[in-house]
Amino acid sequence: QVQLVQSGSELKKPGASVKVSCKASGYTFTSYAMNWVRQAPGQGLEWMGWINTNTGNPTYAQGFTGRFVFSLDTSVSTAYLQISSLKAEDTAVYYCARVYSRSVYGDTFDYWGQGTLVTVSS
Amino acid sequence: QSALTQPASVSGSPGQSITISCTGTSSDVGGYNYVSWYQQHPGKAPKLMIYEVSNRPSGVPDRFSGSKSGNTASLTISGLQAEDEADYYCSSYTSSSTVVFGGGTKLTVL
Repeated sequence: QVQLVQSGSELKKPGASVKVSCKASGYTFTSYAMNWVRQAPGQGLEWMGWINTNTGNPTYAQGFTGRFVFSLDTSVSTAYLQISSLKAEDTAVYYCARVYSRSVYGDTFDYWGQGTLVTVSS
Repeated sequence: QSALTQPASVSGSPGQSITISCTGTSSDVGGYNYVSWYQQHPGKAPKLMIYEVSNRPSGVPDRFSGSKSGNTASLTISGLQAEDEADYYCSSYTSSSTVVFGGGTKLTVL
């Protein structure tokens, strides 16, 4: 069965970096694009962008350029989200989400990781 | 890209029907039939309930249905059940080749 398993919660100080992993299993990793979605405490979902798991080419949403980096290690079927120069407002749950096979524009997500809470506090 | 507009909360009694609206613009909801709906229980990851405005993925009960008129999409849940109590989010493909979510709606089953 398809599973996306994310790394555990992180507590970081402002200015530090964090790398969140999303390990996929149960399907061919390079056949489906991977997206990242942020959810700040008590807030809604925010699309961060996606990475082409075939080419490794990332696309970032507005507001997620510069400090945010999507990457892959296809040998272990894992996608990564790295955030540098962390700020308090980066405190959120970060989800990886696989594109639904029937999604024409890659805008629909059928499998989600369990989420990784990143807390930024001094 | 501004978030799609959803009511903050809706409520209904078991067995009743409720509808959640999702309003965007001609650059997203109104311009494409690529609206999805997600259900999120507290502390859990979102779950896909509807895609392409009105299609249900396998395993989603037919009590859940979707529609669209102009720039507004809607999710209707009929025969409301206690387990339907959750947050619901719409999303849409946009003319910028991005995805935008709605602000979310908290459904309370009375």
